[in-house]
Amino acid sequence: EVQLLESGGGLVQPGGSLRLSCAASGFTFSSFAMSWVRQAPGKGLEWVSVISGSGETIYYANSVKGRLTISRDNSKDTLSLQMSSLRVEDTAIYYCAKNFQRSPTTPTDFWGQGTLVTVS
Amino acid sequence: SYVLTQPPSVSVAPGKTARITCGGNNIGSKSVHWYQQRPGQAPVLVIYYETDRPSGIPERLSGSNSDNTATLTIRRVEAGDEADYYCQVWDSTTNHWVFGGGTKLTVL
Repeated sequence: EVQLLESGGGLVQPGGSLRLSCAASGFTFSSFAMSWVRQAPGKGLEWVSVISGSGETIYYANSVKGRLTISRDNSKDTLSLQMSSLRVEDTAIYYCAKNFQRSPTTPTDFWGQGTLVTVS
Repeated sequence: SYVLTQPPSVSVAPGKTARITCGGNNIGSKSVHWYQQRPGQAPVLVIYYETDRPSGIPERLSGSNSDNTATLTIRRVEAGDEADYYCQVWDSTTNHWVFGGGTKLTVL
């Protein structure tokens, strides 16, 4: 059974930093790209970043580029999102999601339950 | 940047057919994916590559895509279909994933 468990969310002041983690299980982690998607309170989905299965290919949304850094540790089946220079508008539930295949251009077929980040 | 436009809301009576549209410039040339998000839950992929359904998704849900509009069709709508629905495409020009603004489906 595929499981994705996010952690690391919380309250942080503007300009601060936070590190989110996503522990994956139930599939061969290194064979799949992984994504972060966020959802501000009462708003729609916003794609944040995606990383290929090998970690060699990474893409970011313009709104987070230069401030958020995605990474993965395939030896520990863990996806991370290092967040710095946080802004009030970064407040959202952050979802970790598994992509369909190794390529980052494939859709996400399983999502975690999310972790809330509040910047205030 | 590429923009996907969805109607904010769609209402339908139980047993009827709901159609949720997703508009984009020449979206017919792109692969479209659809997600369902029930209140308080994480999104679930319901249609991928326009017409494919993941295991466990009922055949009542189907997708189509042509010219400037992609459509998610839900036949014989049930109360459990009440949710927000999002379309998504990969924009190869910018190497970005793009979501539509979402459509709230209300079952009357």
